[in-house]
Amino acid sequence: EAQVTQNPRYLITVTGKKLTVTCSQNMNHEYMSWYRQDPGLGLRQIYYSMNVEVTDKGDVPEGYKVSRKEKRNFPLILESPSPNQTSLYFCASRPTGDYEQYFGPGTRLTVT
Amino acid sequence: DAKTTQPPSMDCAEGRAANLPCNHSTISGNEYVYWYRQIHSQGPQYIIHGLKNNETNEMASLIITEDRKSSTLILPHATLRDTAVYYCIVLGGQNFVFGPGTRLSVLP
Repeated sequence: EAQVTQNPRYLITVTGKKLTVTCSQNMNHEYMSWYRQDPGLGLRQIYYSMNVEVTDKGDVPEGYKVSRKEKRNFPLILESPSPNQTSLYFCASRPTGDYEQYFGPGTRLTVT
Repeated sequence: DAKTTQPPSMDCAEGRAANLPCNHSTISGNEYVYWYRQIHSQGPQYIIHGLKNNETNEMASLIITEDRKSSTLILPHATLRDTAVYYCIVLGGQNFVFGPGTRLSVLP
């Protein structure tokens, strides 16, 4: 089944403790991206990647890092999480030249 | 990318057509109109997209005005499972910008 998977789905952590949220897609898509969703602010893009080893900042990249060493994986790294990064996070992918994005199920992160 | 304006909420009776409007008066010639929906806190789901012609697929129809300054997403026979937030997005570059969308409530 074609899908985007994210892990973990739920995470509660403390300020300053590094964490990684994984994202994987099995559709051989070139383009992948990360969004965060907060009440009243909608979905905002954090980072995106056009292909392996090509990443770029979205609208709200501060406090986040990404890497794209393989086509299928696009992990989101929070080196030193803070409470304002408490949010619902979505990973998405699509093929180049096609704008139908496939979204993962979301990761609900709480930073205390 | 052009900005879009949607009503914050709408109701629709089950079995009736749901018509969701979107204004995009600053759209430029090469920008597409995309519609996504998000059911509760699930990942957004692609519905349909178009440039200037009307489009139809198994989920919905998209009607774009001749001047392309507005569009309407039509769910022909809404069901309770169509209750969701619907996002209209105009895309010319690489990245989607999701606004607040329209919260559609399908009522029994």
